Amino acid sequence: GQQLNQSPQSMFIQEGEDVSMNCTSSSIFNTWLWYKQDPGEGPVLLIALYKAGELTSNGRLTAQFGITRKDSFLNISASIPSDVGIYFCAGLLGAYKYIFGTGTRLKVLA
Amino acid sequence: EAQVTQNPRYLITVTGKKLTVTCSQNMNHEYMSWYRQDPGLGLRQIYYSMNVEVTDKGDVPEGYKVSRKEKRNFPLILESPSPNQTSLYFCASSLTGGQYEQYFGPGTRLTVT
Repeated sequence: GQQLNQSPQSMFIQEGEDVSMNCTSSSIFNTWLWYKQDPGEGPVLLIALYKAGELTSNGRLTAQFGITRKDSFLNISASIPSDVGIYFCAGLLGAYKYIFGTGTRLKVLA
Repeated sequence: EAQVTQNPRYLITVTGKKLTVTCSQNMNHEYMSWYRQDPGLGLRQIYYSMNVEVTDKGDVPEGYKVSRKEKRNFPLILESPSPNQTSLYFCASSLTGGQYEQYFGPGTRLTVT
C-alpha cells in the first residue's frame, strides 16, 4: 500500500526548543493534514492545508503545503512537555482516500 | 457529547473465528472510515464509506468486510481472522469526505492467536 515518508522517526528535545518534521510523497495531494496522537487515544487534527504553498499556524504550530504538492512540513515552536506524542502527516487522494505517514514520535525532556 | 465509539476496546481471539468490531457516531456524519495502526507503519486505511450503502476500499482491504446500513454505524467484519490482523484499529467519521475534519474513536486493540 501507499505510505508517506515521514521524518524523523523519533526525536528527543529539550523543553523550549523548536521542532521540525516533514513528509514527502511520490504522489500529488489535494490536501495535507497533520495529526497528533496521545498515548491510548485516537489521532486529533492539528492543522489542515488546502492549497499549494499555503502556510498555516495554530498557536505554536506552523505547517506548510509544499509547492509541488508532494510534501509538507510541521514546525512546533518553544516545545512544552504536553507536546509529547506521535505526530502524523496525511494526504488526501481525491475526495475520500487518506494516506498517512509513518509518524514522528516526539519526546520532550523537561 | 459528540463522539465516535468503538466496541470492544480490547479483543483476543483465535484464528478463523469470525468477529465484528462496531463503530458508531452521533454527529450525523456522512463519511466514516476504518484504519489499522501498526508499529513503524503509521495508520493505513482499510475501508471507507461516503454514505449509507456506499463503501469503497482503502489501501489495505484484504481480509476485511464492512457494511453501512445506517448512517451512524459502520461495523468492521473479519470473517476469518489471521495473526497478521493483530493490530490497533481506529474508526473515524467526518461531515462529508475530503476537507472536513475526521474525528477518531478511541481504538480497538485486537490480538489474533
